[in-house]
Amino acid sequence: GAVVSQHPSRVICKSGTSVKIECRSLDFQATTMFWYRQFPKQSLMLMATSNEGSKATYEQGVEKDKFLINHASLTLSTLTVTSAHPEDSSFYICSARVTGTGVSGANVLTFGAGSRLTVL
Amino acid sequence: GQQLNQSPQSMFIQEGEDVSMNCTSSSIFNTWLWYKQDPGEGPVLLIALYKAGELTSNGRLTAQFGTTRKDSFLNISASIPSDVGIYFCAGRNGQNFVFGPGTRLSVLP
Repeated sequence: GAVVSQHPSRVICKSGTSVKIECRSLDFQATTMFWYRQFPKQSLMLMATSNEGSKATYEQGVEKDKFLINHASLTLSTLTVTSAHPEDSSFYICSARVTGTGVSGANVLTFGAGSRLTVL
Repeated sequence: GQQLNQSPQSMFIQEGEDVSMNCTSSSIFNTWLWYKQDPGEGPVLLIALYKAGELTSNGRLTAQFGTTRKDSFLNISASIPSDVGIYFCAGRNGQNFVFGPGTRLSVLP
């Protein structure tokens, strides 16, 4: 259980275009999802917390107009990189918080497989 | 803000050797998590720890929740080539998850 599906896994786009990345919780409801950015050989950098039915909470230094997050349902959050530029090229990973009472599975994050964005 | 430190930053070991890595913080956490990330993939949960002093195993992996609640360690016994990857620790308080910078493990045949 607790599977997060992220799509697309790879995307190449031209500078100035917008790209949408989807993150779905397949077998559980996720009221909270998190979006991370990861540069090569570096750690996970939290970009924003996506809350179902309300506005996302962005980390300091992350442009909310650049990285649009929508969490319209309990199983889907989307990240749209608007007017993408080469410096936006990165590995973007979503995760969802798994709640519940299970000993091994409660209050953990389950990650998607990531989306590699290349902006030409 | 809250920060986690992981050591070592990277390590090269021979296949069959045991591995030990740790995670420390100046803050107390209610949950400690260990993840492994393969190249080009998202992190995968290895072990979750919920109580101070808790020792939990998952196959060849063993992790412990430090008694001060400010640290955790992960041991891997009898390493194999597929253990290669980046190991991240994470501490949780409420809805806030903080990740360490990772330990990069390389296994030499």
